[in-house]
Amino acid sequence: ILNVEQSPQSLHVQEGDSTNFTCSFPSSNFYALHWYRWETAKSPEALFVMTLNGDEKKKGRISATLNTKEGYSYLYIKGSQPEDSATYLCAFHNYGQNFVFGPGTRLSVLP
Amino acid sequence: GAGVSQSPSNKVTEKGKDVELRCDPISGHTALYWYRQSLGQGLEFLIYFQGNSAPDKSGLPSDRFSAERTGGSVSTLTIQRTQQEDSAVYLCASSLEPGLAGVTQYFGPGTRLTVL
Repeated sequence: ILNVEQSPQSLHVQEGDSTNFTCSFPSSNFYALHWYRWETAKSPEALFVMTLNGDEKKKGRISATLNTKEGYSYLYIKGSQPEDSATYLCAFHNYGQNFVFGPGTRLSVLP
Repeated sequence: GAGVSQSPSNKVTEKGKDVELRCDPISGHTALYWYRQSLGQGLEFLIYFQGNSAPDKSGLPSDRFSAERTGGSVSTLTIQRTQQEDSAVYLCASSLEPGLAGVTQYFGPGTRLTVL
């Protein structure tokens, strides 16, 4: 059974704060690691897909890093805004072609 | 259409009735996935189709759940003799060939199922 973990489960930050959270995944049979943002009452939206150890991706104030050897990825949000409030999901994609989603980190940005 | 569509958007049914949920994937996407999110829970994988076949049915919670896909396109998820614990948001996603590194899943808006 593939286990994908995310921490913290939830966090509250003030507008303007920078924050980060973690996705842990199996380090064997790695194929890709995906990050999604899931806003309430909407569909999950793809943020990043990373395939190479050491990958760094950036989209505006959000960035992500990847360490496939130790099996973790960090998502960073710089200068959080209320519209960043959402659940952030990571998904591990292995050579068996399974996508396994983590339980998510619920972020609330307080104005 | 441009994105994944699902119907109905909301379904309220009585315990014991059968329901059918529909997913129209993005044109050209060979892979199709069904997930559900129960209240307070994360995303739970149900079943995955590659073309019309389902190589991974491991997530179906019971034999009351079945799914099919025809013509490599539309998929239906059927729940027979619904129970209250089946109440959830059912999400469908599609993607290009999952063997491609970096392929992304695109999600539909979901069907909210409520079993009374």
